[in-house]
Amino acid sequence: GAVVSQHPSRVICKSGTSVKIECRSLDFQATTMFWYRQFPKQSLMLMATSNEGSKATYEQGVEKDKFLINHASLTLSTLTVTSAHPEDSSFYICSADPRRGGETQYFGPGTRLLVL
Amino acid sequence: EDQVTQSPEALRLQEGESSSLNCSYTVSGLRGLFWYRQDPGKGPEFLFTLYSAGEEKEKERLKATLTKKESFLHITAPKPEDSATYLCAVTQGGSEKLVFGKGTKLTVNP
Repeated sequence: GAVVSQHPSRVICKSGTSVKIECRSLDFQATTMFWYRQFPKQSLMLMATSNEGSKATYEQGVEKDKFLINHASLTLSTLTVTSAHPEDSSFYICSADPRRGGETQYFGPGTRLLVL
Repeated sequence: EDQVTQSPEALRLQEGESSSLNCSYTVSGLRGLFWYRQDPGKGPEFLFTLYSAGEEKEKERLKATLTKKESFLHITAPKPEDSATYLCAVTQGGSEKLVFGKGTKLTVNP
């Protein structure tokens, strides 16, 4: 398989502050990474597709000004939750596709965000 | 209307009691169907990809099959460590986007 890491694994912040989450592909390069959100007992919902060197593509209903995505290199994408509110509390997961004849995207371990 | 529906929502088995999980899909132009395992507080772990009806794949106690309407994940003689949520997802057409079902939470009691 391929390894994807996320940092931090857990973060607690105050309402109104911004939080940055990093997603790294450790043993491969990824021109495309994906960001998902998962609420308790729900499945993963795609938020946006992160493209290296260009703007991210957001899914319908996801505020691009609130969830800022930067894919500055072939191994790093960041998601910044701006002016976070309690309803943004969730489990954020990224994924990346190694594109080396493999069969799937590989997922990071997730970041638990709690906004107080 | 959900494009990917998994059943049952939850399943409790005794160790050694074989069973199957179902994933039905309504997307047109299926590109691939994926099975993942997710443990609490973790990201999904890749299990299988199936591309065409009739295809089967196996890994240890797990076997995935695919028809034109659904996929089954068969678990043979499960062990407690197989307890997890099993997620099914599909891609369609030229898109890489994964559309997930809500998952089946499997509990295997010793």
